[in-house]
Order: sequence, then C-alpha cells, then structure tokens
Amino acid sequence: NAGVTQTPKFQVLKTGQSMTLQCAQDMNHEYMSWYRQDPGMGLRLIHYSVGAGITDQGEVPNGYNVSRSTTEDFPLRLLSAAPSQTSVYFCASSYPEAGGKQETQYFGPGTRLLVL
Amino acid sequence: DAKTTQPTSMDCAEGRAANLPCNHSTISGNEYVYWYRQIHSQGPQYIIHGLKNNETNEMASLIITEDRKSSTLILPHATLRDTAVYYCIVRELNSGGSNYKLTFGKGTLLTVNP
Repeated sequence: NAGVTQTPKFQVLKTGQSMTLQCAQDMNHEYMSWYRQDPGMGLRLIHYSVGAGITDQGEVPNGYNVSRSTTEDFPLRLLSAAPSQTSVYFCASSYPEAGGKQETQYFGPGTRLLVL
Repeated sequence: DAKTTQPTSMDCAEGRAANLPCNHSTISGNEYVYWYRQIHSQGPQYIIHGLKNNETNEMASLIITEDRKSSTLILPHATLRDTAVYYCIVRELNSGGSNYKLTFGKGTLLTVNP
C-alpha cells in the first residue's frame, strides 16, 4: 500500500489564482480530512469527510472547498488564493471507529504552499 | 474535547529513556489519550493511545494516572531519529461526525542529543 499520497509537494501561487491539492489513499478508509499547519502552530482542521458524498467543515473552512466523489480521493480546492493561505497542508485518513475501537489516523507527507 | 498541557520542549540523551508528560485534568470518561509525533517536515505519525490502563507497543509505552488527569509517554531507548514534536491529544469515544477530528496543540519538541 502507498498509504496516503499528496500532490504536489510544493506549489507557488499568485494572489487570486485557484488550484487543487490532491489527496488519495489506498487503504479503503472512509474518513478523510484536511489540516493546515502554520509555523510554530499545531494542525488545524479545514474540512473532513466521513464517506463518499459526505463532507463537512472543520475549524478553518473559509476559502477552501472539498468534494468526495470516491472513497479514495479527497481534493482540496483553493478558490482564490490569498497570502494568508500560505501554509503546509496535510491530508489524513482512517477507518471509522467501530465497536469502541479507536482507529488511528494516517497522514500524508504534506503540500507546502506559498501564496505571493 | 478536553484540553491538554505539555511542556514546550525537552532534551534527552541518546540511549536514555525519554519521558514526556501531559496534563489533561478535564478529561471525561469517554475520552482516550492519544499520542502522535511529527518529525520535521513530515506528516504526523501515530504512536499509541489508551483509556485507563497502561499501554505498550513497539514504539513506546503510555502510563495513565489512576485519576486519568495526566499521562506520560515513554520512549525507552531514545535515538536521534526520535527528535520530533510530540502531541498529546484527548478525544471522545466514537460518536461520528466531527469527533473524528484530532485537535492538535503545540506539543513538546523533544530533542535527542548524541
């Protein structure tokens, strides 16, 4: 298994440009999520999905859209990039918890985004 | 989810045990204690979790106090590759939706010195 993969690894955008950060997992996990991490900060949840066709907002959803058309993929779209969106973006996935078993989350390697 | 308090940084000598404390005095009965770590420039990595009892796996041990208000992550023989930020997270038992999310604080930067 490749686990959780993210593309691109690095991206530079100009203010106002749009782009999509890709996230894919091959573990058949139902739950997927996007976090952003700013320097010296912990991770903050942007959006998450508990299954194909179902998405919801996290702590910092403004300026981002997501969709979940398949179990494997969970792309994050920046509609009109702003310098405040300069960050490292991590995608994560896990099985849903069942029978009281707490499933762990697996994180991708991250996408480093710079918005000028 | 309950809030956690961790020291900002700690040092440890290579080969020695690293003991990382975490306070979670407002933890509720349904909340598990999770530990993740993040090596520089990488995504977070799961280490261990527990509810009441002490837990051990191939990476670490987790000691939870009887009142569950604090815990300690133990790396028995720290190596240079264990230098990372360690996050202690408390999280409710499965209830779906946004409870899948992990709330990361600033964690503890553990530096393992040669």
